[in-house]
Parts: sequence; C-alpha cells; structure tokens
Amino acid sequence: GAVVSQHPSWVICKSGTSVKIECRSLDFQATTMFWYRQFPKQSLMLMATSNEGSKATYEQGVEKDKFLINHASLTLSTLTVTSAHPEDSSFYICSALLPYRGNEQFFGPGTRLTVL
Amino acid sequence: GNSVTQMEGPVTLSEEAFLTINCTYTATGYPSLFWYVQYPGEGLQLLLKATKADDKGSNKGFEATYRKETTSFHLEKGSVQVSDSAVYFCALGINFGNEKLTFGTGTRLTIIP
Repeated sequence: GAVVSQHPSWVICKSGTSVKIECRSLDFQATTMFWYRQFPKQSLMLMATSNEGSKATYEQGVEKDKFLINHASLTLSTLTVTSAHPEDSSFYICSALLPYRGNEQFFGPGTRLTVL
Repeated sequence: GNSVTQMEGPVTLSEEAFLTINCTYTATGYPSLFWYVQYPGEGLQLLLKATKADDKGSNKGFEATYRKETTSFHLEKGSVQVSDSAVYFCALGINFGNEKLTFGTGTRLTIIP
C-alpha cells in the first residue's frame, strides 16, 4: 500500500512553454504533499509544501509564480513549470505524507524535465 | 541551518561484503534521522529511521544508530546482496506533524556477484 505515482515520467518541451506534472496518491488520501527538485549528483531540494484546499508554502528562493502548485483534491497535486527555460531542466519528485504511519513520506518515481 | 553530509559514491562491493555508508548531520533541535533507498525506476522508499539519540533503526539486514555525540547515522549491513544495488539517501527531519526532510546527496551502491 501507500503508492504514489507521477505523470509524466519524462517530458521534453521547448523554451517558453509550460509543463504540468501530476502527483497522485493511489491508495490513500494525502492532505500534505511535497515537491522536490534534484540536480545531477546532488541531493533532493524541497521546493514547496502542498496542502489540500489551501495555498502551497514555498521554500526560500523558489519562485511561486514560476512553479505553480495546485492541490485540488486529497489524492492529486500538480506542479506547473511556467515559461520553462533550459535551467529548469531537472528531476522533479513528489511525496505524500501519511499521518497514520508516523508522518512517513511516500515518494513518487520522479519526472525528468528537459527544456530545449 | 540543517544539513546532511554523506559518503560520496559510487560504491562497488562484491556480494557478501560488509557495507558502511557514512552520514553526518548538523541540525538545530532534535532531529529524526532516516535512510531512504531508491531502486532503479522507483521512488524513494524509507529503509529505516531513528527518532532519538542512541536509537537503532533496522530493516532488511541494514542497521544505523543515532549517535548524538558524533552527529552521525552511518548505514551498515553485514553481508550485501546483488539486490541491494540502489541509491541510498540519508536524511533528517524536523517538526513532527510536518516532516520537512533535508537530504544528503545520495550514494550509489553496486553489488557485483
């Protein structure tokens, strides 16, 4: 149990376009989800905390107008990279918090974004 | 601020060898410590955790002890298998109820038969 999926698993887009990444908790409800970004050979960096029904909380240095987060239901959070540029190319990972498992985070498999 | 430093990889071992992956941390307050594992094509999975000093987390033959005096949480396994090949991440978490995690850079482990 406690499976988190991401879609798409990889995406290539042109500079200036917007890309939406979905994060779904498949067999549990998650009021809190997290979005991370991972650069090659670097650690996962927390971008924002996504709370169902309210605005996301962004980490310092993350542009909220560029990385739009919507957590419209208890099983879905979306991250939209707006006006993407090559420097936005990265591996994006989401996780969902499971309160009745001691707040353990369950991670999706990640989405590889390449901006040309 | 909070940070995690872990052993750089990649690490290559023969099957049945002893494994140690070092992890040290800096944190304000009293963090919980975690090891996550990521198998190819899959999301990170919690391997083990410890929530207070001197706690030992263990799972699947892996162990790690929360050492407050050395601010360390080294991962060990006595006899590794090919199926243990994966990327291992050390992490710390603050704030019960909102476990914002700080990760190390990950260590890629390859076990050869």
